[in-house]
Amino acid sequence: DAGITQSPRHKVTETGTPVTLRCHQTENHRYMYWYRQDPGHGLRLIHYSYGVKDTDKGEVSDGYSVSRSKTEDFLLTLESATSSQTSVYFCAISPGGRGTEAFFGQGTRLTVV
Amino acid sequence: GDSVTQMEGPVTLSEEAFLTINCTYTATGYPSLFWYVQYPGEGLQLLLKATKADDKGSNKGFEATYRKETTSFHLEKGSVQVSDSAVYFCALSGTEGGGADGLTFGKGTHLIIQP
Repeated sequence: DAGITQSPRHKVTETGTPVTLRCHQTENHRYMYWYRQDPGHGLRLIHYSYGVKDTDKGEVSDGYSVSRSKTEDFLLTLESATSSQTSVYFCAISPGGRGTEAFFGQGTRLTVV
Repeated sequence: GDSVTQMEGPVTLSEEAFLTINCTYTATGYPSLFWYVQYPGEGLQLLLKATKADDKGSNKGFEATYRKETTSFHLEKGSVQVSDSAVYFCALSGTEGGGADGLTFGKGTHLIIQP
């Protein structure tokens, strides 16, 4: 158990509405990540954080923003959800720091209708 | 940028068969390499890793060797079980000067083991 909790686990939302997904870790690890998983694409990095208020973009960051005001929480926001953002979203931590293995949460299945 | 290529499958085998899932990569620098496994409805679990050339990672009967000369990290198991049915992902870590942090994943290989 990596001590990562994602909420909600499932969500259905309408196109154009804002959505926030939460990732909570029980340890004080610096490195946290948001990925999305889609058939035929594997996992792709959306945003990551290397400390409180320190965040950066990943491969597929358009349409997403993140915030990290506390070490244990990393929030992913879809400012105005679109159908192309229907996906499974995973949060991960890297206790060993940059370049080391990641441990994943259980995922959030988001459907935008 | 960094990339990982693996067979997507599905790969269907009979129980006790030998398994190989190929993984090749492109990266600047010297990444660490990983295999993850995902069971239905769950998150990804780290299966094994290797951090430098010629390292062999192993876990639960699975093995993979970091081959720098062929830029490969093929996953093998001598005798698969029905419980090994899952999706397997090959991944590499970001390298110094290699752009964004985080792991780069292959598209995943769906493995089905029949009794």
